[in-house]
Amino acid sequence: GAVVSQHPSRVICKSGTSVKIECRSLDFQATTMFWYRQFPKQSLMLMATSNEGSKATYEQGVEKDKFLINHASLTLSTLTVTSAHPEDSSFYICSANLAGGPNEQYFGPGTRLTVT
Amino acid sequence: AQKVTQAQTEISVVEKEDVTLDCVYETRDTTYYLFWYKQPPSGELVFLIRRNSFDEQNEISGRYSWNFQKSTSSFNFTITASQVVDSAVYFCALSGGAGTALIFGKGTTLSVSS
Repeated sequence: GAVVSQHPSRVICKSGTSVKIECRSLDFQATTMFWYRQFPKQSLMLMATSNEGSKATYEQGVEKDKFLINHASLTLSTLTVTSAHPEDSSFYICSANLAGGPNEQYFGPGTRLTVT
Repeated sequence: AQKVTQAQTEISVVEKEDVTLDCVYETRDTTYYLFWYKQPPSGELVFLIRRNSFDEQNEISGRYSWNFQKSTSSFNFTITASQVVDSAVYFCALSGGAGTALIFGKGTTLSVSS
């Protein structure tokens, strides 16, 4: 089946620094990728929709200047958390939508971000 | 607006018991997709099933079965003869057509004790 990877799997950073998370579709092209955030013991909440070659669409309440998304190719989307604060500590999960498929989505393994 | 409700926050059962996880959804779309995912403590989502709105056939996969009823907007998940390894958080999710994101329910934490 289709595989999506995320890197890093875990990251600890200091407050005020920036962190980049990569999401790659390894064996298929994804015109659309999604970024979700999951706080402890909560559900996954969509943060933004990332379309290759265009600006990302952010959900209400998600700051686009804080969570920078770049979808430069059909196999890579990046999420950069800028000036991270402890409240940004969360589990970030991406998913990739198989181009031309009937909404088959494949999730990455997630990135656990801890901001100290 | 689309919405997924998993009313059961936590369920505890003893091994070999059958357990049903409820999922009720709301959508105005005529074409939509329903999903179930398992999330073990590692955090990685494990895909269990995807069902489109035109396919109301129930599905069985080993100890897992799903009951999709459009009349009640429900997509319930049953585990037969539960095992300790089934302990996890289970999410029901809904999406519209191709290229749309998933909307997740709040999840049900299943604990199976030996």
